[in-house]
Amino acid sequence: GQSLEQPSEVTAVEGAIVQINCTYQTSGFYGLSWYQQHDGGAPTFLSYNALDGLEETGRFSSFLSRSDSYGYLLLQELQMKDSASYFCAVRDGDTGFQKLVFGTGTRLLVSP
Amino acid sequence: NAGVTQTPKFRVLKTGQSMTLLCAQDMNHEYMYWYRQDPGMGLRLIHYSVGEGTTAKGEVPDGYNVSRLKKQNFLLGLESAAPSQTSVYFCASSYSSSSGANVLTFGAGSRLTVL
Repeated sequence: GQSLEQPSEVTAVEGAIVQINCTYQTSGFYGLSWYQQHDGGAPTFLSYNALDGLEETGRFSSFLSRSDSYGYLLLQELQMKDSASYFCAVRDGDTGFQKLVFGTGTRLLVSP
Repeated sequence: NAGVTQTPKFRVLKTGQSMTLLCAQDMNHEYMYWYRQDPGMGLRLIHYSVGEGTTAKGEVPDGYNVSRLKKQNFLLGLESAAPSQTSVYFCASSYSSSSGANVLTFGAGSRLTVL
């Protein structure tokens, strides 16, 4: 099976940089994804890492270390609208099919 | 482009009643999913489908049934609702991006309360 661990909550101020960590245990590994969900909204895809290293998309970056079974999402120049929950997810490697298993999420609170 | 549409958005049931949640996608995605989301527990997969006419169990399938008679629709049924099924239900569909990511597009969610 799979398990993912994330901090339950992170707080930061506008303009700051914040890192949300994710550690995972999987029987097979096919990449780490990140999703964002605002209160009352649906999750939306942010990023994906299949290989070690940093992937950058605007203010957001995602990092993966497969040897450490660890990844993180880095948010720079924080804005109030970044207040949301962030989920890491891995593909289920047992069957080879691409269903995603999600972590329990990290709630990010950005204050003025 | 509507993406993924779920109906109804809200529903209140009494214990023992049955209902069906409807999900429709217009992106021609092969894969569809039903997740439930409860406070502090993230998104848990109920059932999924890899194509028209196929379904499979996820992490928490008990008490639910699904059907995928048409590629664009994925139905989630509760035959005898229980208070433990009070939750927000999300339907999603997916494709594989050029990078290999399995990118899920979610519907807006259906909030179900069972009394």
